[in-house]
Amino acid sequence: AQSVAQPEDQVNVAEGNPLTVKCTYSVSGNPYLFWYVQYPNRGLQFLLKYITGDNLVKGSYGFEAEFNKSQTSFHLKKPSALVSDSALYFCAVRIGSARQLTFGSGTQLTVLP
Amino acid sequence: GAGVSQSPRYKVAKRGQDVALRCDPISGHVSLFWYQQALGQGPEFLTYFQNEAQLDKSGLPSDRFFAERPEGSVSTLKIQRTQQEDSAVYLCASSVRDKSGYNEQFFGPGTRLTVL
Repeated sequence: AQSVAQPEDQVNVAEGNPLTVKCTYSVSGNPYLFWYVQYPNRGLQFLLKYITGDNLVKGSYGFEAEFNKSQTSFHLKKPSALVSDSALYFCAVRIGSARQLTFGSGTQLTVLP
Repeated sequence: GAGVSQSPRYKVAKRGQDVALRCDPISGHVSLFWYQQALGQGPEFLTYFQNEAQLDKSGLPSDRFFAERPEGSVSTLKIQRTQQEDSAVYLCASSVRDKSGYNEQFFGPGTRLTVL
């Protein structure tokens, strides 16, 4: 089945260290990939997207993601984590002609002071 | 401008009651989506509107779920005869007209439904 997977339920990182939140996809054709962040009791906020072009995509709040076609991955990265980055992160993909997003199961990021 | 708003933010219903959840999308956004997010899970698609037309309702879990957007702006998700398994956060999202699927969706804060 076409989908995205987030292999880690939880990621812990020390403040100031680089962070990576992993996402892999299984989609036929060209994938349209998105990252969203969810803070408690709030809706999802868009971070960045990959449609085509450069494999390194830069987004909001200093986040970036690298599209890797050979590894079918779209990992979210940030060079220096902040405590305020602690939240739930979702990778999502648009599949085929559908307009809706298909989400991964989410990764809880905790940045330790 | 204002983002996507949803009301109520919290709803407690007794099993068997009907509920109505409202979504006000960003002004001018043609596309509107409803998602259901169970505890500890990612959002799952319910239904999609383009203007007033419901183009995809393949994610609605049963015929107890009904959505409408009669004037192409505000949308209502109605759940009849609620069951405990309907307990979840219901998220609404909107986006500009999107022939390509490139445009990101903007999400509201959600309505947390608890069915007792």
